[in-house]
Amino acid sequence: SQKIEQNSEALNIQEGKTATLTCNYTNYSPAYLQWYRQDPGRGPVFLLLIRENEKEKRKERLKVTFDTTLKQSLFHITASQPADSATYLCALPRGAGGSYIPTFGRGTSLIVHP
Amino acid sequence: SAVISQKPSRDICQRGTSLTIQCQVDSQVTMMFWYRQQPGQSLTLIATANQGSEATYESGFVIDKFPISRPNLTFSTLTVSNMSPEDSSIYLCSVQQGADEKLFFGSGTQLSVL
Repeated sequence: SQKIEQNSEALNIQEGKTATLTCNYTNYSPAYLQWYRQDPGRGPVFLLLIRENEKEKRKERLKVTFDTTLKQSLFHITASQPADSATYLCALPRGAGGSYIPTFGRGTSLIVHP
Repeated sequence: SAVISQKPSRDICQRGTSLTIQCQVDSQVTMMFWYRQQPGQSLTLIATANQGSEATYESGFVIDKFPISRPNLTFSTLTVSNMSPEDSSIYLCSVQQGADEKLFFGSGTQLSVL
């Protein structure tokens, strides 16, 4: 089964800086990788999906990269704001056969200081 | 996008009792998923609920402990039976819908077992 690793330590940055979060996975390369945001007391909210044949994807201030050689995805938030403070989860399809049910990483907490 | 209403939002229960969590979706969906999120941990899939058939449980989860109902395409319940303090967790229901295989989540049920 897939193992997903995200930094367990919180990432603290100053407002206006770029936040970069890392998601590493083992075993097979997934057909896609997703990023979610989770606020305290709430369910995760989908942000972006990047497919295995895509190197980079952008959405407003968000940018995701996908390196299937390194088995790694980077999630960037540019011009970060205190409102971006949350836990960010990466998720991959569970099975090598393309099972669509995502498996989640533990998430990395981002704290943006004003 | 799917809107999911989940209740109760939180509960404090005594050891040995059972709690039923309800999940209502604003559109018809084939599959609904139940996750558990323990403090500091990733989301763990408990089971997949299909309408008209038995739920499919993940390794480590059994029907006697977590019975699930799926009476129609918009509603599901998860019961946590014979609770112990180890069942204290956040329970989330989810559906997969639309492009990008995105998951939509309910707001979660914070369960504390004394």
